[in-house]
Amino acid sequence: AIRITQSPSSLSATTGDRVTITCRASQIINSYLAWYQQRPGKAPQLLIYAASTLGSGVPSRFSGSRSGTDFTLTISSLQSEDFATYYCQHYYPYTESTFGPGTKVEI
Amino acid sequence: EVQLVESGGNLVQPGGSLRLSCVASGFTFSSYWMSWVRQAPGKGLEWVANIKHDGSEKFYVDSVKGRFTISRDNAKNSLFLQMNSLRADDAAIYYCARDGGFSSSNYFDSWGQGTLVTVSS
Repeated sequence: AIRITQSPSSLSATTGDRVTITCRASQIINSYLAWYQQRPGKAPQLLIYAASTLGSGVPSRFSGSRSGTDFTLTISSLQSEDFATYYCQHYYPYTESTFGPGTKVEI
Repeated sequence: EVQLVESGGNLVQPGGSLRLSCVASGFTFSSYWMSWVRQAPGKGLEWVANIKHDGSEKFYVDSVKGRFTISRDNAKNSLFLQMNSLRADDAAIYYCARDGGFSSSNYFDSWGQGTLVTVSS
């Protein structure tokens, strides 16, 4: 099974900060990786798919990148509504899709 | 606007059964793969099962194989999850999600608000 690790598990930041979250896959998954935001008590929302493609209606301060098996979600300037938990997910074809353990972004 | 509305969550005893439903609107339901994703209290996300747009293919996470059955009724824009032999570790919020791709492994581009399943005696 493909394992996904995610770091950090939590971080503290201030409005306006540049924030970076990383996921690493245990094997090559090409660009089959998505990022989600989950605010407390709410359902997850898609931010990015195919490693770097912005989801519909997602603000441009969110971006994603890939380097080998390492994937990065960057928030260029943190806004108050961005304090949430972020999950990555691999969806490599013909395998069981799995999520990373999450990163909680706190004030 | 895409809307997914789940229902059917409840308190059930270990070994019991429950059927979850999800009604979709705002898109052509019969054209999309659909999934169930769950989240145990205070925990992360776990994909549970998905089903091809025409119902001809179904896939499950290993932990629910043989106990859960995913199905759909395209005439009623509805997705279902029949859960049997429920265990304590099945307790979670169950989300209905629309698959963003067209294979057995996809990302999820729309989510419902979730329905809570509690398994306890």
